[in-house]
Amino acid sequence: TQLLEQSPQFLSIQEGENLTVYCNSSSVFSSLQWYRQEPGEGPVLLVTVVTGGEVKKLKRLTFQFGDARKDSSLHITAAQPGDTGLYLCAGERVSNYQLIWGAGTKLIIKP
Amino acid sequence: DTAVSQTPKYLVTQMGNDKSIKCEQNLGHDTMYWYKQDSKKFLKIMFSYNNKELIINETVPNRFSPKSPDKAHLNLHINSLELGDSAVYFCASSPIEVWPGPPGGELFFGEGSRLTVL
Repeated sequence: TQLLEQSPQFLSIQEGENLTVYCNSSSVFSSLQWYRQEPGEGPVLLVTVVTGGEVKKLKRLTFQFGDARKDSSLHITAAQPGDTGLYLCAGERVSNYQLIWGAGTKLIIKP
Repeated sequence: DTAVSQTPKYLVTQMGNDKSIKCEQNLGHDTMYWYKQDSKKFLKIMFSYNNKELIINETVPNRFSPKSPDKAHLNLHINSLELGDSAVYFCASSPIEVWPGPPGGELFFGEGSRLTVL
């Protein structure tokens, strides 16, 4: 079974702090997607990384795909209460592009 | 206009009943999915349809039966509901035209249908 381990599961920090969320696997992925889910809504795509070593920035969010395409990280700089939500990573299987989901990181930013 | 819409948003029912959840997407996508999100927020794929054809059928009990009358609709019928079926069910679509499609395809999710079995 291809697993995607996401950590931490839960993170509560003060506004203005920095944080990093990790997604790790022993398997190679053809791409890795990061989604954000707010209460009562479905996940919404933030970014897709495809190339090993790729770095993408979305305002204060920085996404990186590992060189070997087995892991990824999401770094948030100067977190704000509006960043609160459930962050999900999903790796795309090389064989059939089926998505393998991480268990999610529940992020709370306190004002 | 909502891109992926599900009804009902909330469903409370007794054990043993049969219920359906409907999903419609107006994005013109050829691929649709049903996901189950448990209380720990883990997303698990149940079914996937590409051009009305069943592509993915994970280890889901036979009590769950998807039906795709056309490319824009994917409904989920559940027979003999059990307590463990309580969860949030998400419908999603993607622009994959021919399965499995190119890498990096985005999923567009509905708002979810929260099913509570008493």
